[in-house]
Amino acid sequence: GQQLNQSPQSMFIQEGEDVSMNCTSSSIFNTWLWYKQDPGEGPVLLIALYKAGELTSNGRLTAQFGITRKDSFLNISASIPSDVGIYFCAGRSPQGGSEKLVFGKGTKLTVNP
Amino acid sequence: NAGVMQNPRHLVRRRGQEARLRCSPMKGHSHVYWYRQLPEEGLKFMVYLQKENIIDESGMPKERFSAEFPKEGPSILRIQQVVRGDSAAYFCASSPLDRRTYNEQFFGPGTRLTVL
Repeated sequence: GQQLNQSPQSMFIQEGEDVSMNCTSSSIFNTWLWYKQDPGEGPVLLIALYKAGELTSNGRLTAQFGITRKDSFLNISASIPSDVGIYFCAGRSPQGGSEKLVFGKGTKLTVNP
Repeated sequence: NAGVMQNPRHLVRRRGQEARLRCSPMKGHSHVYWYRQLPEEGLKFMVYLQKENIIDESGMPKERFSAEFPKEGPSILRIQQVVRGDSAAYFCASSPLDRRTYNEQFFGPGTRLTVL
């Protein structure tokens, strides 16, 4: 089945630093989504990307849909302690009738104050 | 402004019992999805439903698992004769009908199933 390779698996940074994480796939997707999950909670949608090359921001977060449609990255600028959590990329395949999302394994972010 | 609601939040069952997980989608959403998450893993798709219809169940185990989304009431994920390997967090998501945003799935808080 389709798989998303998300990296890095974990990051330890100082408050105020910028963060970058990415997802790659061997197959194309027509939608990329980025979620954040806190312990014991469900994923919260951060950014949705619909077009190859699209660059979208949400506050300190910026995400891009790769030109090849096989990758996406998420940047967080000027990190703060509440950015701690697990960030997941998710993609939707262009296969007809398939609405399911394929998730990466997550990037666990730790921010030291 | 209720989001996706799931209950119970925690469920403990003994091997062989049945587990029923409920999900009420966001207001105005008619698409429901169920995902399973094991510790330290991403979410794995199980099933996609619209009202009274199963659209895609390609991620559902062939036995013991079933899902429904009746005309009235919440969506139900049912696991019969649970085994220890069913222990996981089960998340429900919903998305709107709007063609521009229907790929945006919004998740509930999950049900954490523990099988003793």
